[in-house]
Amino acid sequence: EAQVTQNPRYLITVTGKKLTVTCSQNMNHEYMSWYRQDPGLGLRQIYYSMNVEVTDKGDVPEGYKVSRKEKRNFPLILESPSPNQTSLYFCASSFWTGANTGELFFGEGSRLTVL
Amino acid sequence: QQPVQSPQAVILREGEDAVINCSSSKALYSVHWYRQKHGEAPVFLMILLKGGEQKGHEKISASFNEKKQQSSLYLTASQLSYSGTYFCGTLSNSGYALNFGKGTSLLVTP
Repeated sequence: EAQVTQNPRYLITVTGKKLTVTCSQNMNHEYMSWYRQDPGLGLRQIYYSMNVEVTDKGDVPEGYKVSRKEKRNFPLILESPSPNQTSLYFCASSFWTGANTGELFFGEGSRLTVL
Repeated sequence: QQPVQSPQAVILREGEDAVINCSSSKALYSVHWYRQKHGEAPVFLMILLKGGEQKGHEKISASFNEKKQQSSLYLTASQLSYSGTYFCGTLSNSGYALNFGKGTSLLVTP
């Protein structure tokens, strides 16, 4: 089954404790992206990647890091989480045609609370 | 930069029509539309490429005016299942970031 898998789905942590949210897709997609969703603000892009070792900042990259060492995986790293990073996070993937993305497939979301 | 969606919220009775608009300050290559039900991930509806094409998906269709950098989503004869939040996503001519708007909340009542 084609899917994007995120872990953990729910996490409560404390300020400053490094954490990683993993994202894996089994569709051989080139394009992967992380979004955060907050009430009234919609989906805001954190980072995206067009292929292995190619990543770029989205609109809200501060406080986050990513890496793309393998095509299927795109982890999101919070080196020193703060309460303003409490949010619902979505990973998404799609084919990349060289000029356009295809349909974005979203993971189920990871709800993160930073105390 | 997030595209701007309007209206923010719509309440319809079953069978009524609605239009959701999306506009960007950047020249666009494509526009995506997604629907999100409460507690779920967004689900793809359609993509429109520059060229002014219009697409349809049953009773949901959309248009894209690249000169005006605008897209509209048309929901006709709405059904209860259409309830949810609709997001447009835009890919500009000059980048690879797919930016989403703040969403339009649609509620269809019996």
